[in-house]
Amino acid sequence: GESVGLHLPTLSVQEGDNSIINCAYSNSASDYFIWYKQESGKGPQFIIDIRSNMDKRQGQRVTVLLNKTVKHLSLQIAATQPGDSAVYFCAEKGADNYGQNFVFGPGTRLSVLP
Amino acid sequence: KAGVTQTPRYLIKTRGQQVTLSCSPISGHRSVSWYQQTPGQGLQFLFEYFSETQRNKGNFPGRFSGRQFSNSRSEMNVSTLELGDSALYLCASSFSLEGSGGREQYFGPGTRLTVT
Repeated sequence: GESVGLHLPTLSVQEGDNSIINCAYSNSASDYFIWYKQESGKGPQFIIDIRSNMDKRQGQRVTVLLNKTVKHLSLQIAATQPGDSAVYFCAEKGADNYGQNFVFGPGTRLSVLP
Repeated sequence: KAGVTQTPRYLIKTRGQQVTLSCSPISGHRSVSWYQQTPGQGLQFLFEYFSETQRNKGNFPGRFSGRQFSNSRSEMNVSTLELGDSALYLCASSFSLEGSGGREQYFGPGTRLTVT
């Protein structure tokens, strides 16, 4: 499959444990954020989103936390499974223009250990 | 509902040639964005089309261009290919509205372009 990033930060977790993936975003004017999961050979897959008027949003086994004060976003995955192994990206969208021009973070590789 | 489709999936071109990539968005989506993904630079925004008009543009040279058709399908073109253009080109579609902010965006599988 495609090489997403040769020197990505890597997070290794035991199967069944919770994972926390962090992202520092750059634009204090960003008002919309998305977390994506990318498996080898595939395009990024939408996981969950959050708008800047929220601090927390929950999905199925995932929770996104937003701290606007320090421009920090995190993705929590509960009961991590082998199928969660992938590269995870955060993407931010500025409030200063219309449209879908997202800025992506460098990504974090999640490795789930048996 | 069918997802975003991209053709071709793989392409090999020679320096100096040009290439056209195609993207069909999810039915009902009017916004199509293109991104370039490389190991060194990560995912970078190229441009976005909405209702056949370029709505946003990233910091890429003029050799990169695109267009959108009335059925929302989009193409991107790269002229005078350089070795550094080797990358995974991703297309994403969304149910964006005119004058709206960010919305859920869904990606296709990408086109792997290799320039030799």
